Amino acid sequence: KAGVTQTPRYLIKTRGQQVTLSCSPISGHRSVSWYQQTPGQGLQFLFEYFSETQRNKGNFPGRFSGRQFSNSRSEMNVSTLELGDSALYLCASSLEARPNTEAFFGQGTRLTVV
Amino acid sequence: GENVEQHPSTLSVQEGDSAVIKCTYSDSASNYFPWYKQELGKRPQLIIDIRSNVGEKKDQRIAVTLNKTAKHFSLHITETQPEDSAVYFCAASSPYGGATNKLIFGTGTLLAVQP
Repeated sequence: KAGVTQTPRYLIKTRGQQVTLSCSPISGHRSVSWYQQTPGQGLQFLFEYFSETQRNKGNFPGRFSGRQFSNSRSEMNVSTLELGDSALYLCASSLEARPNTEAFFGQGTRLTVV
Repeated sequence: GENVEQHPSTLSVQEGDSAVIKCTYSDSASNYFPWYKQELGKRPQLIIDIRSNVGEKKDQRIAVTLNKTAKHFSLHITETQPEDSAVYFCAASSPYGGATNKLIFGTGTLLAVQP
């Protein structure tokens, strides 16, 4: 069974631009969560999607948004990029959107804002 | 608020020794506690987890203990090997939001196993 796939692996963007990241969950998994990983803040929860609905949202500005498609694939978008948005963006795939459910991470997308 | 504290931030041990990483969570409603290992440049990988209805779980050289009263949980690695060197993250399920798989992560422990 294929694991969680994130594309692209690396991105370099300029301040003010926008970016879209993609995540394909493990086949059969319906929940996708996104996390931002930085050296200073560790892994911070961005949002979670299940059955095309946002179930939960972290404490990030409205520039960060996401969506989920009917095949469970998810995208996240960051508009008006800032230098501080440089980070590793990880998505995690779970069978269900409830506590006690194992979450499996993708390789991440390394975003650099210059 | 939701918070997970993790100690130590760095840990260096000799090959064959044991390593212990400790975490404390803030919300007593958390009921799921996974541990992830992240090697340099790689994805976090789930290595073991524990649910609040058990106090201890073992998987070969790895064990996790949970003290719900004290809101502590710990990762124990015995007979450490150089390939155990990585950053380890603890996490707790968020008790808020109902049907959600949101995890609150600790800040990570860099484990170095010296050959």
